[in-house]
Amino acid sequence: IAGITQAPTSQILAAGRRMTLRCTQDMRHNAMYWYRQDLGLGLRLIHYSNTAGTTGKGEVPDGYSVSRANTDDFPLTLASAVPSQTSVYFCASSGQGDNTGELFFGEGSRLTVL
Amino acid sequence: GQNIDQPTEMTATEGAIVQINCTYQTSGFNGLFWYQQHAGEAPTFLSYNVLDGLEEKGRFSSFLSRSKGYSYLLLKELQMKDSASYLCAVKDSNYQLIWGAGTKLIIKP
Repeated sequence: IAGITQAPTSQILAAGRRMTLRCTQDMRHNAMYWYRQDLGLGLRLIHYSNTAGTTGKGEVPDGYSVSRANTDDFPLTLASAVPSQTSVYFCASSGQGDNTGELFFGEGSRLTVL
Repeated sequence: GQNIDQPTEMTATEGAIVQINCTYQTSGFNGLFWYQQHAGEAPTFLSYNVLDGLEEKGRFSSFLSRSKGYSYLLLKELQMKDSASYLCAVKDSNYQLIWGAGTKLIIKP
C-alpha cells in the first residue's frame, strides 16, 4: 500500500536519551517534512527537505536533526530528549508537479519524555 | 507575525449544515488548505483554494476571499463520521504552510 510509514507509533523514553523517529515513503515524493502537534497549537514545522541531499530548518528546529540520504527516508533524531519534546510527531510528503502541494501524512508517532 | 484564526470548537446536529471560518494574516499568499483530522489519526486533505470563490466537492465546499483574508469550510448533510478537527492552513510567500490550531467539530444525533 502506497503511502508514508512512521515508526515507532508510540514511545516513552527518559530525558537525556537519544531517539530516532523513522519515516519512509514510497510515492517518490521530492519534499518531506516533520511536524509536531501539541494540544491547542497548530502543526509546527520542525525540519523539511525539498529533495534528497538537502534539508532546511522549520519553525521549531532546536533539539532536532534530520537527514535525507535518499528520496524515500527522512529520519528525525532527538539527540538528548527533554520533557518539552513530548508531542505527537507527523511526517509528511508532497509530490512535484502537483500545483496544490497537497501533503500526505504518516499516522504519527506519539512520544512521551519523562 | 503570521496568524491563522479559527474557532476552537463547534457543535452541530446530524443532518444539518455547519460553516467553519478561518481568517488569516500572512506574509504573502499562495493558497489555502483545509484538512480533516479524526482523533488519534493523521490529517487528510479536503480542499485547496487559490482564487476567490467557492470550490464544491460533494458535501464539502470551501470559500476564499483573499481581499478579506477569509475562508470558510461548509459541511452539508452532516454525518456522525464528520466529527473531527478541521485544520486551516495558508501557504505564505515562501511557500511554507502556516497552520491554524484547528476547529473541533462535535456532531450530535
